[in-house]
Amino acid sequence: GESVGLHLPTLSVQEGDNSIINCAYSNSASDYFIWYKQESGKGPQFIIDIRSNMDKRQGQRVTVLLNKTVKHLSLQIAATQPGDSAVYFCAENILGYSTLTFGKGTMLLVSP
Amino acid sequence: AAGVIQSPRHLIKEKRETATLKCYPIPRHDTVYWYQQGPGQDPQFLISFYEKMQSDKGSIPDRFSAQQFSDYHSELNMSSLELGDSALYFCASSLAGTGGKLFFGSGTQLSVL
Repeated sequence: GESVGLHLPTLSVQEGDNSIINCAYSNSASDYFIWYKQESGKGPQFIIDIRSNMDKRQGQRVTVLLNKTVKHLSLQIAATQPGDSAVYFCAENILGYSTLTFGKGTMLLVSP
Repeated sequence: AAGVIQSPRHLIKEKRETATLKCYPIPRHDTVYWYQQGPGQDPQFLISFYEKMQSDKGSIPDRFSAQQFSDYHSELNMSSLELGDSALYFCASSLAGTGGKLFFGSGTQLSVL
């Protein structure tokens, strides 16, 4: 992929606020989407996934929304905590194919 | 629960040297993926293996090669290292037929001086 430098989009929130992180995906054929959380120096950690036959899926404190019409994905984190501070990536895939393609990350900063 | 294990955790090499990164997938996972992540960038897919055969190929340079062994561990071999190869290299594993969810290791930080 092309380099976008060191400047990630950043979302700064206060502890206890709700956070919404957005992602635009590129491949209209993609039918499986995952949100990953990556803390500094660590590997991406699975948060939640959604298939294209759904438009919403809820987990513990997290909700993913999928709008296939505009190829948009969002991650909502309820009652954000300092431990949620990390870079969040969306990733897309076509089920049956091995390549998971990552979108550009968003850095979430949660202040106490 | 056992996770994906990568070694070494950190590696420092000089230009034109070679490096070998190792990955041990989650037990019973049959598919291994390699990704490269530069500073502030998203992970870029390099190559994947399913049942010891290459299953997909991304932006892997010709100087790099990889393989998956009979015990399902994988190695990424990197030759003629360049300064631009400095990055975090992640391995991920999955079980085919479970929906495409990848589990990532903690990565190898490669620094080429």
